[in-house]
Amino acid sequence: SQQGEEDPQALSIQEGENATMNCSYKTSINNLQWYRQNSGRGLVHLILIRSNEREKHSGRLRVTLDTSKKSSSLLITASRAADTASYFCATASNTGGFKTIFGAGTRLFVKA
Amino acid sequence: DAGVIQSPRHEVTEMGQEVTLRCKPISGHDYLFWYRQTMMRGLELLIYFNNNVPIDDSGMPEDRFSAKMPNASFSTLKIQPSEPRDSAVYFCASSSAQGATGYTFGSGTRLTVV
Repeated sequence: SQQGEEDPQALSIQEGENATMNCSYKTSINNLQWYRQNSGRGLVHLILIRSNEREKHSGRLRVTLDTSKKSSSLLITASRAADTASYFCATASNTGGFKTIFGAGTRLFVKA
Repeated sequence: DAGVIQSPRHEVTEMGQEVTLRCKPISGHDYLFWYRQTMMRGLELLIYFNNNVPIDDSGMPEDRFSAKMPNASFSTLKIQPSEPRDSAVYFCASSSAQGATGYTFGSGTRLTVV
């Protein structure tokens, strides 16, 4: 399976600190995506990084991709209480069809 | 755009009953996906469509599950008969070709089968 696996499973930090979440996957990919899910809500797309990219930024988010290690990281800088949510990485491959497989997620809790 | 619209938001039904979940994707998106989320199994891809045609239904758990997309603006996921283990949150998502901008998810339908 190419399912991504996030690490850690849960993370608790103080407001203002940085949060780093990691994702590992098993097979070659076309792109890797990060999503946020607030409790009781649907997933919201945060950022997509293609297999030929190494780093991408969006506001307070920074994503890196290392295809040689089959891993990615999501960094949230200067975290806020509103960042409290679950974060999922998702890997997309067109091998055998176009579909995106989600990992189990990291639960982030930012204390005010 | 109102985003991906799912209905109902909540559904409680008795075991053995038929359940139909509905989804309206974002206009212009030609991929539509049905996912199921549970604590135990996380997010599972059930089936996806491209231009209204089912492409991969390998994630559909049993013959009790079926999905249709009669046109570009509507899809259904049907469970008949429903069982307690089908209780989960079912999400619909849509995407443009090759998912260049990621998926847009609906708010989900929370299904409880008693």
